[in-house]
Amino acid sequence: KAGVTQTPRYLIKTRGQQVTLSCSPISGHRSVSWYQQTPGQGLQFLFEYFSETQRNKGNFPGRFSGRQFSNSRSEMNVSTLELGDSALYLCASSLGAPSSETQYFGPGTRLLVL
Amino acid sequence: AQSVAQPEDQVNVAEGNPLTVKCTYSVSGNPYLFWYVQYPNRGLQFLLKYITGDNLVKGSYGFEAEFNKSQTSFHLKKPSALVSDSALYFCAVRVVLTGANNLFFGTGTRLTVIP
Repeated sequence: KAGVTQTPRYLIKTRGQQVTLSCSPISGHRSVSWYQQTPGQGLQFLFEYFSETQRNKGNFPGRFSGRQFSNSRSEMNVSTLELGDSALYLCASSLGAPSSETQYFGPGTRLLVL
Repeated sequence: AQSVAQPEDQVNVAEGNPLTVKCTYSVSGNPYLFWYVQYPNRGLQFLLKYITGDNLVKGSYGFEAEFNKSQTSFHLKKPSALVSDSALYFCAVRVVLTGANNLFFGTGTRLTVIP
């Protein structure tokens, strides 16, 4: 079974631009979560989607948004990019129920904001 | 509030020696605990998890972890380290019954296995 895939793998943007990242979960998984990884802040939870609905949200500004499609694929969007948004953005999928399930991570999208 | 502490930024161990990567947690309920490993320019790979039952959990690549409720710890161990184990290790917690699926991560411990 294929793992979590994320596209693109690398992105370079300039301040003020917007960016859209994509995540395809493992087949059959209905929950997709997004995390931001930076050297200073570590791994921080952005949001989680389940059945096209945002189920949980971390402490990030409204410039960060996401959505999930009927096939469980998810996108996250960052508008008005800032230098501090440079990070590795990780997507994780799981079957769905918030419990003991394991989240499986994709390889990430590395975003550099200049 | 939930938090995870990995008190050591760096752990060095000689190849063939046992290794331990420490993790302690603070939660306001019962925890689910996870260990992940990250290789350079890669995402996180799942190693093992504790949900309930036996306090000693066995996972991938010969790793195991022991859940200690009284000490609120979940240390990762391996009897004999390999050079290929060198990577960044993350401990994570999810709180049962909060309805939230997200993981709270520690700051990571970089393990270096010396040949």
